[in-house]
Amino acid sequence: EPEVTQTPSHQVTQMGQEVILRCVPISNHLYFYWYRQILGQKVEFLVSFYNNEISEKSEIFDDQFSVERPDGSNFTLKIRSTKLEDSAMYFCASSDTGTGVYEQYFGPGTRLTVT
Amino acid sequence: LAKTTQPISMDSYEGQEVNITCSHNNIATNDYITWYQQFPSQGPRFIIQGYKTKVTNEVASLFIPADRKSSTLSLPRVSLSDTAVYYCLVGGHNAGNMLTFGGGTRLMVKP
Repeated sequence: EPEVTQTPSHQVTQMGQEVILRCVPISNHLYFYWYRQILGQKVEFLVSFYNNEISEKSEIFDDQFSVERPDGSNFTLKIRSTKLEDSAMYFCASSDTGTGVYEQYFGPGTRLTVT
Repeated sequence: LAKTTQPISMDSYEGQEVNITCSHNNIATNDYITWYQQFPSQGPRFIIQGYKTKVTNEVASLFIPADRKSSTLSLPRVSLSDTAVYYCLVGGHNAGNMLTFGGGTRLMVKP
């Protein structure tokens, strides 16, 4: 069964550093998303991406965040200058344009620890 | 966006049927009801989706009354591996729609 993959599984960085989280969505999917989950809290939407541009973004997704699809397979989330409160699990997801059931397929997540 | 309310936690025993009910009084006409499952340190996983009446797949059943103000996820004969957080989501059905997660129901299945 096709799956979304994410790398790295765990990233430790110092406050103020830039990080790039990588995702490989399911190959025939055209919609891509990033969510985050702070430990013990809800899964929160960050951004959706379609046709090489951002479709929707939440208040969390401020100027410190950016997304990119640098090639035909990868989808990245960059945090320009990390803060302690960016420590969370970051989940990438993808979905197709099919009719019928609408579901998003989530990756296993990257645990980001900012020290 | 329709707000959802579901129990914070539930306990069950192996082999039992588990029913988790979600309230969504402000559901809009175009909204679908979707349930996701999340194991610790993993991404959410789609379980089932419906608009009205009953939907069944190999994993679960979803019951939606005529007024659509609530829904019930039914897990038949749970096992220890069904211990997870279950999220009820209400929203659009179109590709690209963001998912809005609430607090979910933490199901603990005991031997």
